[in-house]
Amino acid sequence: DIQMTQSPSTLSASIGDRATITCRASQSIDSWLAWYQQKPGQAPKLLIYQASKLESGVPLRFSGSGSGTQFTLTISSLQPDDFVTYYCHQYKSSPYNFGQGTTLEI
Amino acid sequence: EVQLSESGGGLVQTGGSLRLSCAASGFFFSTYAMSWVRQAPGKGLEWVSNINGRGDTTEYADSVKGRFTISRDNSRNTFHLQMNSLRVEDTAVYYCARGPAAPDNWGQGTLVTVSS
Repeated sequence: DIQMTQSPSTLSASIGDRATITCRASQSIDSWLAWYQQKPGQAPKLLIYQASKLESGVPLRFSGSGSGTQFTLTISSLQPDDFVTYYCHQYKSSPYNFGQGTTLEI
Repeated sequence: EVQLSESGGGLVQTGGSLRLSCAASGFFFSTYAMSWVRQAPGKGLEWVSNINGRGDTTEYADSVKGRFTISRDNSRNTFHLQMNSLRVEDTAVYYCARGPAAPDNWGQGTLVTVSS
């Protein structure tokens, strides 16, 4: 099974800051990685797929990079709505594991 | 507009069964693989199962293999998760989603609570 490890678990930042979340896969997943944002009480929302492709309608301040085993989600200038939880997700092979999540807090 | 709506959640005792359903609309349902993903209270996301468009290929997480069965009815644009031999650790919000590969649309979730 491919294990996904996110860091940090919690990230403290301020509005306007640049935030970076890292996801590491236990083996190569090429670019088969997605990033999700989840607000309390809501379903996850797809932000990035295939490591760096922005889902339609997602603000341009979100970007993804990486391939193989190391991936990054960057939020260029944090807005109040961004202080929620983010998950990475590999879809190279079953089981399609998620990272444990990163909570962005003010 | 793509819409997914789960139903069938509820409270059940350990060892019991539940059948979740997901009604889909707004897209050509039979051409998409579909998934179930769950989230235990206060925890992260866990992929549970997926089924291909034709319904003849399924995959399961080890944690549910042999107890859960995924199926679909393309004539009704619905798919299901039959959950048997439920355990306390199956307590979670269950989401249906379009695609196992970077699911792009999700339902609002249905809560399954398994009590001992």
